[in-house]
Amino acid sequence: EVQLVESGGGLAQPGGSLRLSCAAYGFIFSGHAVSWVRQAPGKGLEWVSTISAGGSNTYYADSVRGRFTISRDNSKNTLYLQVNSLRAEDTAAYFCAKASGTYFGPFDIWGQGTMVTVSS
Amino acid sequence: EMMMTQSPATLSVSPGERATLSCRASQSVNSNLAWYQQKPGQAPRLLVYGASTRATGIPARFSGSGSGTEFTLTISSLQSEDFAVYYCQQYNNRPITFGQGTRLEIK
Repeated sequence: EVQLVESGGGLAQPGGSLRLSCAAYGFIFSGHAVSWVRQAPGKGLEWVSTISAGGSNTYYADSVRGRFTISRDNSKNTLYLQVNSLRAEDTAAYFCAKASGTYFGPFDIWGQGTMVTVSS
Repeated sequence: EMMMTQSPATLSVSPGERATLSCRASQSVNSNLAWYQQKPGQAPRLLVYGASTRATGIPARFSGSGSGTEFTLTISSLQSEDFAVYYCQQYNNRPITFGQGTRLEIK
């Protein structure tokens, strides 16, 4: 079955860090760009970051640039997001998503999401 | 940053009726426009891409149209499972941007 499974979310203090993971199953992970998209509670969708199929190109939203780092390990079929210097406004469900066309969409496969809560 | 504006914010429609959702881009996105459906507690699901191409497994009652800056998602005969929040997304320019969503509710 084609799926993405996120993990690594949880409660973090302001200024803290977490490492989110996204494991891919059922498709050739190394052949596709993948992204992180987040959704604050009760709010809409916000693109966070994208990494190319080989990992050499990375892109970030202005709101996270310099604090978040996207990476991937194609030998493990896994995507990562290192989130540092967390702020209250980073509280959200974080989804990983596979791009089916260009680097940036459309996103045809999504994970179920992992929740990040930033609070003291 | 490209702004995507969806209207209306909430749409109340009876089952069996047609629903028309709109999405406007602040500048042209060509046909690089996707629509997603999201139900509570679930991830978004891709419905339409390239403005008018249905994704795999999406019923024919969903149709997308438009190009440039004006786009429409039409659901021809609403089923109970269609009541959800719908988002448009442009992938023509970085940063990728989503509309704020249209909540489709049962009338």
